[in-house]
Amino acid sequence: GENVEQHPSTLSVQEGDSAVIKCTYSDSASNYFPWYKQELGKGPQLIIDIRSNVGEKKDQRIAVTLNKTAKHFSLHITETQPEDSAVYFCAAYQPPGGGNKLTFGTGTQLKVEL
Amino acid sequence: KAGVTQTPRYLIKTRGQQVTLSCSPISGHRSVSWYQQTPGQGLQFLFEYFSETQRNKGNFPGRFSGRQFSNSRSEMNVSTLELGDSALYLCASSLGLAGSSYNEQFFGPGTRLTVL
Repeated sequence: GENVEQHPSTLSVQEGDSAVIKCTYSDSASNYFPWYKQELGKGPQLIIDIRSNVGEKKDQRIAVTLNKTAKHFSLHITETQPEDSAVYFCAAYQPPGGGNKLTFGTGTQLKVEL
Repeated sequence: KAGVTQTPRYLIKTRGQQVTLSCSPISGHRSVSWYQQTPGQGLQFLFEYFSETQRNKGNFPGRFSGRQFSNSRSEMNVSTLELGDSALYLCASSLGLAGSSYNEQFFGPGTRLTVL
């Protein structure tokens, strides 16, 4: 099955700095990679995603990059704000035949300090 | 459009009991997936239901089961509860269309289960 590793487990940055979270996956058949943000007491919320036929995607202060050859993808948050503080999860999707389910990384606790 | 709703939000049970959790997906969504979230294991896939049929299953013991009704609402049941079953149980709904393209999943707020 798929295995997703996520680093770092905790990340502390100053407001205005950039934050980078990295994930690797094991199954080359995985073709969709979402990132979720989970705030305390809430369910995960999709913030950005990328498909395997794209190398980079950006949405305002958030960007995701994908390297299919190396099987890793990263989340980049620029100009961080206190409201960015949350737990971030990466995930990989295996199409039918490989599981048809999301496999999540272990999460990164991001803290943006004033 | 209303989001995914889960009831109850909090549950306290004792070992050996059983529990049923409920999930109402977004209107029009036909797929419901269940995940268990714990500090040690993270988010782990339990199972997915589509059109009242279990379409996919994770690596959990048979004590964990689920079902889906004709209106796409889903329930999951855990029998003979163990201390290790204490977790946040999340459900996610999606359109559930077949094929290799991913159908975006929208998560509910979860049910916090505590087993004493």
